[in-house]
Amino acid sequence: GESVGLHLPTLSVQEGDNSIINCAYSNSASDYFIWYKQESGKGPQFIIDIRSNMDKRQGQRVTVLLNKTVKHLSLQIAATQPGDSAVYFCAERGDSSYKLIFGSGTRLLVRP
Amino acid sequence: GAVVSQHPSRVICKSGTSVKIECRSLDFQATTMFWYRQFPKKSLMLMATSNEGSKATYEQGVEKDKFLINHASLTLSTLTVTSAHPEDSSFYICSANFRHLGYNEQFFGPGTRLTVL
Repeated sequence: GESVGLHLPTLSVQEGDNSIINCAYSNSASDYFIWYKQESGKGPQFIIDIRSNMDKRQGQRVTVLLNKTVKHLSLQIAATQPGDSAVYFCAERGDSSYKLIFGSGTRLLVRP
Repeated sequence: GAVVSQHPSRVICKSGTSVKIECRSLDFQATTMFWYRQFPKKSLMLMATSNEGSKATYEQGVEKDKFLINHASLTLSTLTVTSAHPEDSSFYICSANFRHLGYNEQFFGPGTRLTVL
């Protein structure tokens, strides 16, 4: 069946370093991918998205890379800050549906 | 950006009672909303797709008689957990689909923590 998974359940980084969170997806028909940040007790917060016709997209301190050949998605956070500590989820969506399929999540811990 | 609210944010109820959770799109109309549940340290699992003016579409394994969904207006969807049991305790999150310039984006509510005693 369709699945979206993450390679690392927990990532610990030093404040100021760059963080890379990875995600693998299995549905080659998915055409839209999103990264969400979720803080404890709150709903998911949109970070950045990318469509399948792109392989890289940059935002403020964040970059998403999409490798359709190996069905891999990554989120790069530059100069990680304590406020970046949260759980990060990737999600994918197929062209014919509004439904999002979420990955299992990675907890990012930022050490001061 | 588009804002989605949920009410209540927390609810504690006795086993056997029913609980209603509201999801509202505050500054846009949403013909489609979604309901998710999330267990501790787990990912979001889609329960159902709520369609304004028609029946909800439930995901496999989700009991439609247990989780009643009503999407009576373009800004409000409700999820009623009927005859709640302790295993229904979870974090329930809704999202609303916002269509803009031909693209669809989902905006999430802050979630509702349900505890069934």
